[in-house]
Amino acid sequence: QSVLTQPPSASGTPGQRVTISCSGSSSNIGSNTVNWYQQLPGTAPKLLIYSNNQRPSGVPDRFSGSKSGTSASLAISGLQSEDEADYYCAAWDDSLNGRWVFGGGTKLTVL
Amino acid sequence: QVQLQESGPGLVKPSETLSLTCAVSGYSISSGYYWGWIRQPPGKGLEWIGSIYHSGSTYYNPSLKSRVTISVDTSKNQFSLKLSSVTAADTAVYYCARDLEWEPTRYFDYWGQGTLVTVSS
Repeated sequence: QSVLTQPPSASGTPGQRVTISCSGSSSNIGSNTVNWYQQLPGTAPKLLIYSNNQRPSGVPDRFSGSKSGTSASLAISGLQSEDEADYYCAAWDDSLNGRWVFGGGTKLTVL
Repeated sequence: QVQLQESGPGLVKPSETLSLTCAVSGYSISSGYYWGWIRQPPGKGLEWIGSIYHSGSTYYNPSLKSRVTISVDTSKNQFSLKLSSVTAADTAVYYCARDLEWEPTRYFDYWGQGTLVTVSS
């Protein structure tokens, strides 16, 4: 059971806009910034969005993040076949002397 | 370019201690930041194990704390993970990553490629 809650799956057709939600609590998302990681099949996770809505250099602007209260969302516009991957949200949690918590991951399928 | 590379045995017997090392290149650990271990059981999600600051202070996942030790060797620019009393449930791909704390934000920005550790007799 993950501390952050994500839908297990999401899907869309090429060109569509899809969103993935991430729900937490006051001790994690409510108090700290949210990061999103993309994991392509058979590879290590890659930082996609940090500090709620910032994109590292090289990440297309098709990817965007937002946060409100104890929830966050990742949006992907102009969906492409290469976006098919697992997506994880993460946040620092202030409980139990501090710890990283992750969402269970959302598998995005491009139809 | 910061690069991280995990190394260690790919097979560990039940009840023994899993030991992995993460070699860092392109950045000096002694310059700062935290350095972390994250694992992923086959077909499952990511689980944070713990992080260590360059000075040696640590944060551990409370669910693993009694079995985990993370240490840093700044002279070799590497940090290590030891997980004791392993069981089949500890079978996973283990990743090391830079845990960048930059107030008010914090994130894992560079990751190793991961190494599969199987616990089996």
